[in-house]
Order: sequence, then structure tokens, then C-alpha cells
Amino acid sequence: EAGVTQFPSHSVIEKGQTVTLRCDPISGHDNLYWYRRVMGKEIKFLLHFVKESKQDESGMPNNRFLAERTGGTYSTLKVQPAELEDSGVYFCASSQDQGRRTGELFFGEGSRLTVL
Amino acid sequence: AQSVAQPEDQVNVAEGNPLTVKCTYSVSGNPYLFWYVQYPNRGLQFLLKYITGDNLVKGSYGFEAEFNKSQTSFHLKKPSALVSDSALYFCAVTLSGGSYIPTFGRGTSLIVHP
Repeated sequence: EAGVTQFPSHSVIEKGQTVTLRCDPISGHDNLYWYRRVMGKEIKFLLHFVKESKQDESGMPNNRFLAERTGGTYSTLKVQPAELEDSGVYFCASSQDQGRRTGELFFGEGSRLTVL
Repeated sequence: AQSVAQPEDQVNVAEGNPLTVKCTYSVSGNPYLFWYVQYPNRGLQFLLKYITGDNLVKGSYGFEAEFNKSQTSFHLKKPSALVSDSALYFCAVTLSGGSYIPTFGRGTSLIVHP
């Protein structure tokens, strides 16, 4: 069974540019989560999808961040325009419904974003 | 609000010695507690969880953790460390009956010396 895959693994952009991160969850997992870890700090929750619907986006930092999950399959997270403080590792995770109830998530390898 | 504290940025231990990685939590209700491990250039991997029942839970790779409600702690332990255990360890908590979205700590880097 394929795991959660994320693309790109590393992106280096200049301040003001746009970046789109993609996440493909495990097939059949309705729940998809985005998290972010800034160097040395906590892994912070950004948002949660159930299928194509945003269930909780309370962690999104501001309106420069836009997440979508077309058709309830893969998800994209767009940052436009990027700022220096957006640098970090963006993790995607997915879970089945039982996993959602217990909090056990399956994570991708992360997309490292560096904004110069 | 729920939170997790991992007081040690780094833990150093010699191979063969016991290891402990500390975690304390804060949640208004009954917690679900987790440990995840991240090996270099890999994603986070589930290690073990406490939901209910026995306070001592056993997980993958010989790891275990003890839930202590009075001390609000969930320390990760292993009787005999391996060099291959060197990795970044994250503790997480969710609230039973809540949103079930895990809140993570900042991580502890475990370094096992040969």
C-alpha cells in the first residue's frame, strides 16, 4: 500500500513568489491534515479536510495560504505571496475514520519550503 | 486549549543503556496520548498510543510509555537503546470527545552513541 506522498520535497523561492505544495493521501483515507514545523519548534496544525470539505482551518496563519482538496483525493496548499516566516517543513497526514477518532495519523515525508 | 511540552531538545544515551524521553501534557479532560518518531529524511511514523486501560503501553521497536495522570506525563522509555533508535521523537495529545486533531510538542532529538 502506498503511503502519503508529498511534492516537492524541497522548494526554494524568493519572497513574494508563489509556491504550491501537493499531498496525495493513502487511498481510501477521507481525512487529510496539513501541519507545519518551523525550525526547532512544534509541529503546528494548519487545517483538516474530510473528503473535499474543510472541517477545521483554524490553524491557517493568514489569507496568503489557500488549501484545496478537489474531489476528495489529493490536496494542494498554495502560499501566495510567500514571506520569509513561511519557511519550514509542511507535513501532510491522512487517516481513516477510526484514526480520526483516535488521532493516529499517517504522515508524508514533508515538503521543505525555504523563502529567501 | 491542549498543549504538549517536551522539556529536552536533545537526549544522549550510550548504546545498551536505558533511555527516557520526557513528555508532559495539558488538556481539559481525558487525553489520548501518542508518540511519533521521525528518522532522517522520512515522515513521522506512529510509535505507540494511550487511549484507555493499562497505564503502561507498549509499541514498536521495543518502546514503551507510561501514562501518569497525576503528573500529566507520558514519558517514552526503552530498556536498552540501539544506535538505530537515533531520531527525532514527537509527543502528541488529543482530547477524548474533542476534535481528535493531535497537538504536537517541539520534538526531542535522541542520539544513541555506540
